[in-house]
Amino acid sequence: AQSVTQPDIHITVSEGASLELRCNYSYGATPYLFWYVQSPGQGLQLLLKYFSGDTLVQGIKGFEAEFKRSQSSFNLRKPSVHWSDAAEYFCAVYAGNNRKLIWGLGTSLAVNP
Amino acid sequence: EAQVTQNPRYLITVTGKKLTVTCSQNMNHEYMSWYRQDPGLGLRQIYYSMNVEVTDKGDVPEGYKVSRKEKRNFPLILESPSPNQTSLYFCASSPGYSGGAGEQYFGPGTRLTVT
Repeated sequence: AQSVTQPDIHITVSEGASLELRCNYSYGATPYLFWYVQSPGQGLQLLLKYFSGDTLVQGIKGFEAEFKRSQSSFNLRKPSVHWSDAAEYFCAVYAGNNRKLIWGLGTSLAVNP
Repeated sequence: EAQVTQNPRYLITVTGKKLTVTCSQNMNHEYMSWYRQDPGLGLRQIYYSMNVEVTDKGDVPEGYKVSRKEKRNFPLILESPSPNQTSLYFCASSPGYSGGAGEQYFGPGTRLTVT
């Protein structure tokens, strides 16, 4: 069965530090992969997506993610975190045969000033 | 402005009192979906709709109903709410017939408390 694992429930970084949020998936075919962000009290917003092609994808707010098929991973990165990046981050995989997104449980990011 | 709107944003109700949460999108998206978000359980899909008059159960449909009479609207109906339906609810829409293959656009959420 398809699944998405975000190993880190909670991460704290200092403002200006680099960030990497991990996402591992289980899916038999070539996946469509997404990262979403949920700021406090808000709905979810798409950060970036991978469908095919270049395995390093750029998103909004200075985020990027790299698809590594051999590791079944789609980790999210940012070189320098801002206090406004404090939020919940969700990784998702499109399960085509079920016509729905499979969601990870999320990683909560806190940013220290 | 392209958006998904939900109403109400906050609702406190009592067990058994029927309620409807409305969802509307102005992007002409074919696919719409309802999720509930609970601590430790992440996002779980309740129902989805591939197009007008086409709806399907998601992972947790029990106790909910939906309808899709118009492309832009996808209301969520709780005929007899119970306390275990206390949750944060999100409506989402997506372009393209294959639904989740396209990115999903989320509404701001409806926080429902059933006492």
